[in-house]
Amino acid sequence: GAGVSQSPSNKVTEKGKDVELRCDPISGHTALYWYRQRLGQGLEFLIYFQGNSAPDKSGLPSDRFSAERTGESVSTLTIQRTQQEDSAVYLCASSLGRGWLTDTQYFGPGTRLTVL
Amino acid sequence: KQEVTQIPAALSVPEGENLVLNCSFTDSAIYNLQWFRQDPGKGLTSLLLIQSSQREQTSGRLNASLDKSSGRSTLYIAASQPGDSATYLCAVRRMFGNEKLTFGTGTRLTIIP
Repeated sequence: GAGVSQSPSNKVTEKGKDVELRCDPISGHTALYWYRQRLGQGLEFLIYFQGNSAPDKSGLPSDRFSAERTGESVSTLTIQRTQQEDSAVYLCASSLGRGWLTDTQYFGPGTRLTVL
Repeated sequence: KQEVTQIPAALSVPEGENLVLNCSFTDSAIYNLQWFRQDPGKGLTSLLLIQSSQREQTSGRLNASLDKSSGRSTLYIAASQPGDSATYLCAVRRMFGNEKLTFGTGTRLTIIP
């Protein structure tokens, strides 16, 4: 059984360019999350998808950030007009999405984004 | 706003010793607390999940405790091994709202052979 996969593993871009990060969750997982981990800081929640419900975008830091999810499958996180402060590891996680008490999130290896 | 703190930020101990990692959180209205390990270049691996109604969970050499009223959790590692070297993160899921996790900044553990 494959785990959560993310691509690319590393991305170097120039300030002002747009980037797109991809996440493939575990098959059958209805919930999908994006987090960001900046150097020396804890993981920050960005966005949460649950089935066909409207996503919770409360963690997105600015309108330059957006995310889409196709059904209960792949998700893409897009950052427009990248800034140096966007440099971080972007982590995706998925979970069964059922059972608030015991639902475990499974994390992908992350995409390391460097904005020059 | 929930804040999660982990102390110390880094810890080095000789192989074979028992050790305790600490996690504290400010809002006790949580559904559960999880401990993860993070290895360089890899994602997070879930170690233990404690429901809000539980006081501890055990898996092999790991034991996690939860005192919700005081906002504290500990991760006890027995008979440490070099393979335990990693960053350990605790995370809480709040009682209301979505299922997002609020993470601490982690403790970087080094086991000295």
